[in-house]
Amino acid sequence: GAVVSQHPSWVICKSGTSVKIECRSLDFQATTMFWYRQFPKQSLMLMATSNEGSKATYEQGVEKDKFLINHASLTLSTLTVTSAHPEDSSFYICSASSPWTLYEQYFGPGTRLTVT
Amino acid sequence: AQRVTQPEKLLSVFKGAPVELKCNYSYSGSPELFWYVQYSRQRLQLLLRHISRESIKGFTADLNKGETSFHLKKPFAQEEDSAMYYCALSFTGGGNKLTFGTGTQLKVEL
Repeated sequence: GAVVSQHPSWVICKSGTSVKIECRSLDFQATTMFWYRQFPKQSLMLMATSNEGSKATYEQGVEKDKFLINHASLTLSTLTVTSAHPEDSSFYICSASSPWTLYEQYFGPGTRLTVT
Repeated sequence: AQRVTQPEKLLSVFKGAPVELKCNYSYSGSPELFWYVQYSRQRLQLLLRHISRESIKGFTADLNKGETSFHLKKPFAQEEDSAMYYCALSFTGGGNKLTFGTGTQLKVEL
């Protein structure tokens, strides 16, 4: 149990366009989802925390107007990178948790974004 | 602010040798510490957490509040232990947010 999926696994977009990444909890209801960013050979940096039905809470230094997060249901959260630029190219990882998982975070496989 | 430090980017050991992956943290309160593992081409998964005080796949980790450390140990390394290991911290009132260290790549050689 406790499987989290992400879609797409890999996306290439042109500079200036927007791209949406989906994070789904497949077999449990996730009251909280987290979005991380990982640069090559570096650690995971938390970008934001989203609770179902509430606005996301962004970490310091993360532009909320650029990285739009929606958590409209207990099984789906989306991250939209707006007006993407090459410096947004990265590996984006989501995780999900809930009382059902005893608040343990279960991670998705990640989405590699390349902005050309 | 809380911080997690993993001083070694790469640790290479021979099969059967003991392994110790170092993790130090800085946080003024009482944190909860975790070790996560990422095998090649797989997602991040929880290996163990200090409150469980259990051994997973032969790995153990003890929280040393005096030294603010949470080192991961295994007496005899196996080839399948080769992976990326991340130490992470959460704290009461932090909404279960995790702060990760930079990770240590463990390579077990035959």
